Amino acid sequence: DAGVTQSPTHLIKTRGQQVTLRCSPKSGHDTVSWYQQALGQGPQFIFQYYEEEERQRGNFPDRFSGHQFPNYSSELNVNALLLGDSALYLCASSRDRVIGNTIYFGEGSWLTVV
Amino acid sequence: DAKTTQPTSMDCAEGRAANLPCNHSTISGNEYVYWYRQIHSQGPQYIIHGLKNNETNEMASLIITEDRKSSTLILPHATLRDTAVYYCIVRVAGLAQKLVFGQGTRLTINP
Repeated sequence: DAGVTQSPTHLIKTRGQQVTLRCSPKSGHDTVSWYQQALGQGPQFIFQYYEEEERQRGNFPDRFSGHQFPNYSSELNVNALLLGDSALYLCASSRDRVIGNTIYFGEGSWLTVV
Repeated sequence: DAKTTQPTSMDCAEGRAANLPCNHSTISGNEYVYWYRQIHSQGPQYIIHGLKNNETNEMASLIITEDRKSSTLILPHATLRDTAVYYCIVRVAGLAQKLVFGQGTRLTINP
């Protein structure tokens, strides 16, 4: 049973460019969340997708957007990249409304903006 | 803001039990305590969670005080591979909420 998978694992972009990160949730999971982790900090919640809709959003600008597909996979898009967007981007999946559920994380995508 | 407080760092000798404390004095009755760890900035790894009873799995044990205001994660026989940042998080299980991470405890296992 594959866990949460993310791609690409590493990428380098230039300021002003746009980036798309991809995530496949753990089998049986229907909810996907995205987190940003700057160096030396804990992960920060960006947003969550369920039933192809954004359900919750953290304190991130509109440059950060996402999408969830019918197969529950998800994409994170960041436009007009800034140097400060350099971080580890984590995808997490879970099953909605299951008592005692657990959220599982992927290994992340390292984004460097130069 | 995170609802938990943890020591910034801890050390433990290899082969000994590592006991990681966490305070969550404002925890609500329907909130679970979850523990994750993160090794070398890989993705956070789920360890264990509990509501009010002590829990044990193949990785660790979780001891929750009777008033639920604090808990301790126990790694019974720490190895060098247990060196990581450990996060204690409270959340309502059953609702796919966001996780609010604090700074965690940096645990170093010494040979």
